[in-house]
Amino acid sequence: AQSVSQHNHHVILSEAASLELGCNYSYGGTVNLFWYVQYPGQHLQLLLKYFSGDPLVKGIKGFEAEFIKSKFSFNLRKPSVQWSDTAEYFCAVSTGTASKLTFGTGTRLQVTL
Amino acid sequence: KAGVTQTPRYLIKTRGQQVTLSCSPISGHRSVSWYQQTPGQGLQFLFEYFSETQRNKGNFPGRFSGRQFSNSRSEMNVSTLELGDSALYLCASSLTSGSLTGELFFGEGSRLTVL
Repeated sequence: AQSVSQHNHHVILSEAASLELGCNYSYGGTVNLFWYVQYPGQHLQLLLKYFSGDPLVKGIKGFEAEFIKSKFSFNLRKPSVQWSDTAEYFCAVSTGTASKLTFGTGTRLQVTL
Repeated sequence: KAGVTQTPRYLIKTRGQQVTLSCSPISGHRSVSWYQQTPGQGLQFLFEYFSETQRNKGNFPGRFSGRQFSNSRSEMNVSTLELGDSALYLCASSLTSGSLTGELFFGEGSRLTVL
């Protein structure tokens, strides 16, 4: 069975700082990769996804992620965070049925002014 | 376009009771999946329904069950509640099962507390 690891549990950044959240998965076959975000008081929503093709994918609100197959990684990046990016971020993987996602434990991002 | 609606939003039960949670997917979405979210275990897949048929099931005991109706609305039931069942139960809908669009639309969840 696949698993997902998010090494950063809680990250605190100042506005305009750069962000990189780590995500590693364990599965030897073809995977689909996702980042979901949960803003305070809101529901989970898709930030970006990777199925195939260009390993650098761009999502909403200036986020991007890079799939590195050799490292089993799918790290999330943003060059300059804003206070409104304060949220919990979840990396997820599926190995076929897109509805069956395996989630990481999440990273809580706190952006200070 | 209305989002995924889950009811009730909050509920408190005692051990041994059973509970039924409801989920109305986005109009036109035919797949509904359920997840359990707890501080210790994170988000864990419970099951997925498509066209009234269970397509996938996670590693949960048989006390956890679900169903889907012809209008795509779904319910999940937990019988003989245990303290460890306290969690946020999330419902997510998507257009089809196994779709490569990959986007699940989540509801705000039903928070269950078992005393």
